[in-house]
Amino acid sequence: SQTIHQWPATLVQPVGSPLSLECTVEGTSNPNLYWYRQAAGRGLQLLFYSVGIGQISSEVPQNLSASRPQDRQFILSSKKLLLSDSGFYLCAWSLQGFSGANVLTFGAGSRLTVL
Amino acid sequence: QKEVEQNSGPLSVPEGAIASLNCTYSDRGSQSFFWYRQYSGKSPELIMFIYSNGDKEDGRFTAQLNKASQYVSLLIRDSQPSDSATYLCAVSAGNNRKLIWGLGTSLAVNP
Repeated sequence: SQTIHQWPATLVQPVGSPLSLECTVEGTSNPNLYWYRQAAGRGLQLLFYSVGIGQISSEVPQNLSASRPQDRQFILSSKKLLLSDSGFYLCAWSLQGFSGANVLTFGAGSRLTVL
Repeated sequence: QKEVEQNSGPLSVPEGAIASLNCTYSDRGSQSFFWYRQYSGKSPELIMFIYSNGDKEDGRFTAQLNKASQYVSLLIRDSQPSDSATYLCAVSAGNNRKLIWGLGTSLAVNP
C-alpha cells in the first residue's frame, strides 16, 4: 500500500529565516506530487505540482520554491520567510495518467508559524 | 473565475440524524467531484468521489451529483459525534491536476 510521509510536523521560524519541508511517497512509482497551503480561514491553495523528476509547475508567485530531486521526494523551500508564509502546508500525491477521478492523498501536514 | 461554494456552517445535527452538506460549482465543464473530511488540526482525508449524475453510496455516506443544476451534496446517515469535522468539496475538470476547493462546511454532531 502507498504511504506519504511529511516532516517536520510543526516548526516556528523567525522572519527572514530559510525553510525546508520534505515529503516522500512509498509504494508507488511516478506519482503526481503537490504542495498546498491552508491558511487560517482560507481554503486550500495549490502552490506547486510536479509530474516527474525536475518538473515543477508553480501556481502562485511568491517567495517559495519546490524541487523534486527523486521520483518520490518533493521539497518545499524558502530562502527568507515572510509573516504571510505562516500556515498549514500539505503534501499530496495522485496517480499519473489516471483519466478518471484524480484522487489526492494528503500527508499529515506541516504547521509553520513565522514570528 | 472558477468557484466552488459551500455554506461555512456550523451545521449542527443530533446524533443519529441525517446530515446534509451541499456544494455548488461554477464551471459547467467540471467532471469529477470529491468530498474530503478534515478534523481540526489534521490533513484532509477522502470520503468519496463521484463523476456521474445520480447517487453514489458508501456505507453511511451518499454523494449526490446534479450536473444540470451544478451542485453536489453529501448525506451522512446515522450521524455520529466522530463525524464532527469540516467537510471540503473539491471539483476538477477532465484530467486537470488542479482541483478547485470550497472553504468547507463545519459539522457538529451532538450526542
